[in-house]
Amino acid sequence: NAGVTQTPKFQVLKTGQSMTLQCAQDMNHNSMYWYRQDPGMGLRLIYYSASEGTTDKGEVPNGYNVSRLNKREFSLRLESAAPSQTSVYFCASSGIAGESNEQFFGPGTRLTVL
Amino acid sequence: GENVEQHPSTLSVQEGDSAVIKCTYSDSASNYFPWYKQELGKGPQLIIDIRSNVGEKKDQRIAVTLNKTAKHFSLHITETQPEDSAVYFCAAPPNRLAFGKGNQVVVIP
Repeated sequence: NAGVTQTPKFQVLKTGQSMTLQCAQDMNHNSMYWYRQDPGMGLRLIYYSASEGTTDKGEVPNGYNVSRLNKREFSLRLESAAPSQTSVYFCASSGIAGESNEQFFGPGTRLTVL
Repeated sequence: GENVEQHPSTLSVQEGDSAVIKCTYSDSASNYFPWYKQELGKGPQLIIDIRSNVGEKKDQRIAVTLNKTAKHFSLHITETQPEDSAVYFCAAPPNRLAFGKGNQVVVIP
């Protein structure tokens, strides 16, 4: 099992460009999450999907959209990138919707917006 | 996350000594308390967790203790080794596992 995979690993964008971060898991998990990690700020939840077909906003959703394409895949889209979105993005999944279960994290996507 | 605070932000210990980092949470309804370890350039990984009906849990050199009255839980690492150097995150529900800002642990050989 690959666990949680993310593509791309690195990306540089210019202000105003758009892109989609891809995430897939092969553990048959119901819930999936997108976090951003900035120095000194810890992990902040952008969006999550408790189950296939549902998505909800997290702590910092502005400037992002998500799509739960199927049970395996959960993508994060930046429609018009801004320098403030320079960050490391982590996708995670867990077995049961809710807070009380282990989250498995992907390796991250390092995004720079110039 | 605003519901979870971690102290100290950075902790340096000599190899072989013990390290203790503390996490304070605000919501008394929280019932699940995990600790994640993040090595440089990698995603966080769960190393130990505890539920509210238990006061302490051990797994080899690591342990977690919970004080529900004071609303804090701590990670204890004994006989620290260089590979313990990492950032450690605690988390507590609700709010979809609000994570703390992390504790940087540096083990000095």
